Amino acid sequence: DAGVTQSPTHLIKTRGQQVTLRCSPKSGHDTVSWYQQALGQGPQFIFQYYEEEERQRGNFPDRFSGHQFPNYSSELNVNALLLGDSALYLCASSLVGTGGRNTEAFFGQGTRLTVV
Amino acid sequence: RKEVEQDPGPFNVPEGATVAFNCTYSNSASQSFFWYRQDCRKEPKLLMSVYSSGNEDGRFTAQLNRASQYISLLIRDSKLSDSATYLCVVNMGWDNFNKFYFGSGTKLNVKP
Repeated sequence: DAGVTQSPTHLIKTRGQQVTLRCSPKSGHDTVSWYQQALGQGPQFIFQYYEEEERQRGNFPDRFSGHQFPNYSSELNVNALLLGDSALYLCASSLVGTGGRNTEAFFGQGTRLTVV
Repeated sequence: RKEVEQDPGPFNVPEGATVAFNCTYSNSASQSFFWYRQDCRKEPKLLMSVYSSGNEDGRFTAQLNRASQYISLLIRDSKLSDSATYLCVVNMGWDNFNKFYFGSGTKLNVKP
């Protein structure tokens, strides 16, 4: 049973460039969430996708956008990169709960983005 | 005010010690609660869910106090392999969607 997979594992970009990160959820999961984790901090929620739509969004600018495909995989796009965007980007997959019960989230190994 | 707050530590304890972490959350409408473990430069991994009645998994015990809005994790008989950062996670999703808020993590160092 494949877990959550992310690509690439490491990336170096220049300020002002654009980047696309990819995520395949755990088998059987239909919801993908993206998080940004700066050094020494806990992960910060960026947004969540379900049924190919953005369902919830954290406090991130419009430079951060995403997409979910029919096979539930997802992309995170960041435009006009800033030095402060350097972080570990984590993808988490889960299953939409039923009866108000939410499932745990399982994380991929992350993409470490360095902006220079 | 942060949605989830934890003492960053580090907690430096000898092998075999008992150590406890606390975490507070701000939104009383929070629905579910978890502890995740994160090793250096790795992804967070689910350690255990936290239920109102409290739950135990081997050497780990988690408690939830909704009235005071805090969550605790107790580790008994600490092992060297328990050294990691422990993240308190609160789910504030609406309807059935998950929106996890993470604390900044509490670092644990278990020494021989």
